[in-house]
Amino acid sequence: DIQMTQSPSSLSASVGDRVTITCRASENIKKYLNWYQQKLGKAPNLLIYGASSLQTGVPSRFSASGSGTDFTLTISGLQPEDFATYYCQQSYTIPTFGQGTRLEIK
Amino acid sequence: QVSLVQSGAELKKPGASVRVSCKASGYTFSNYGVAWVRQAPGQGLEWMGFISAYSGATEFAQKFQGRLTMTTDSSTGAAYMELRNLRSDDTALYYCARRTTFLGENLDYWGQGTLVTVSS
Repeated sequence: DIQMTQSPSSLSASVGDRVTITCRASENIKKYLNWYQQKLGKAPNLLIYGASSLQTGVPSRFSASGSGTDFTLTISGLQPEDFATYYCQQSYTIPTFGQGTRLEIK
Repeated sequence: QVSLVQSGAELKKPGASVRVSCKASGYTFSNYGVAWVRQAPGQGLEWMGFISAYSGATEFAQKFQGRLTMTTDSSTGAAYMELRNLRSDDTALYYCARRTTFLGENLDYWGQGTLVTVSS
């Protein structure tokens, strides 16, 4: 299985900050990388697919990039509703998720 | 609007089986797949497998091979996930999700989750 490693595992930030979360794949996954947001007690929500394409309805403060093994998710101008856990997922082979990055209010 | 509604919580004994349903609406069921993802308490997401609602083809994560079955009923727009020989570490929230395959697999709509508790 392809291993997905996110960093950091947790992150504290303030409203208005710009934050970046990194996801690294154990082998080349081209651009088959998605990002999900999960709020406490809720199902995950697709933010980004194909490494950099914004899912319909997702605010433009979310952006992502990368290919191969290294990927990033950036949130520019954090809003209160953005404090959640973020997961990357590769779908180049049998899908696997990263362990998650918990974004907390500072 | 797209909606996935799952069946209610289950309490099972070790060694038993569980069947979770996922009723889809708001889209053409056979045009998409259904994936199942689980989340143990306080843990991350774990992809279990998917089924094509068009062909019935399935693909499972290696660790579930042999004790996982997925089926669909196109007449009702429902998908089912059955996990057999349950163990305590199968205790988790089980989600179904609509699966698209544009630029890889994307899970764009999710059910509300079904809590499965395995305890003697």
